[in-house]
Amino acid sequence: NAGVTQTPKFQVLKTGQSMTLQCAQDMNHNSMYWYRQDPGMGLRLIYYSASEGTTDKGEVPNGYNVSRLNKREFSLRLESAAPSQTSVYFCASRRDNGNTIYFGEGSWLTVV
Amino acid sequence: EDKVVQSPLSLVVHEGDTVTLNCSYEVTNFRSLLWYKQEKKAPTFLFMLTSSGIEKKSGRLSSILDKKELFSILNITATQTGDSAIYLCAVEVWGSQGNLIFGKGTKLSVKP
Repeated sequence: NAGVTQTPKFQVLKTGQSMTLQCAQDMNHNSMYWYRQDPGMGLRLIYYSASEGTTDKGEVPNGYNVSRLNKREFSLRLESAAPSQTSVYFCASRRDNGNTIYFGEGSWLTVV
Repeated sequence: EDKVVQSPLSLVVHEGDTVTLNCSYEVTNFRSLLWYKQEKKAPTFLFMLTSSGIEKKSGRLSSILDKKELFSILNITATQTGDSAIYLCAVEVWGSQGNLIFGKGTKLSVKP
């Protein structure tokens, strides 16, 4: 049971470099999310997608872009990484009117 | 602005103790409150609460919601070292397309 799969698990970037975090879910969920988690800050929503072809900003979207490539995949791109984007990133998905959000295992990103 | 506040932020207890974790919220159009347990990686779902006064129970864990006073508690009885984790509280509001507003979490450490 794969659930929500995100890659890479760990990445170190230099300031100004770009990268894309990949996320895929095999549960046929419409809604997908990207969160970041920082010490003492809880989980904060970056972007979400309620369905294929739609994306919306969350609480902290600056410095990020997303693509909902199809129903399964939702990627997060950092165009020009900054040290403030050092964080743990979680992708998640949820079926319509579902009880809970299912999280991926997390991606640890360090920007130096 | 919608917000979710958890207390305490951290807690150290000994095995066998009973703990109570608190979550208060101020949101418009409350839909549900969820509790998650996060060990090393992805948060895992514990409970979803929508109605006041109805206790949800799973083994040694239980939770209840008070919609009048706008808070929830998570109780853990006879704690074990395996209960050590960050416990996250999140609130969903109507019309948010499933987005969750997370508190900062309570870090629980259970000593042998």
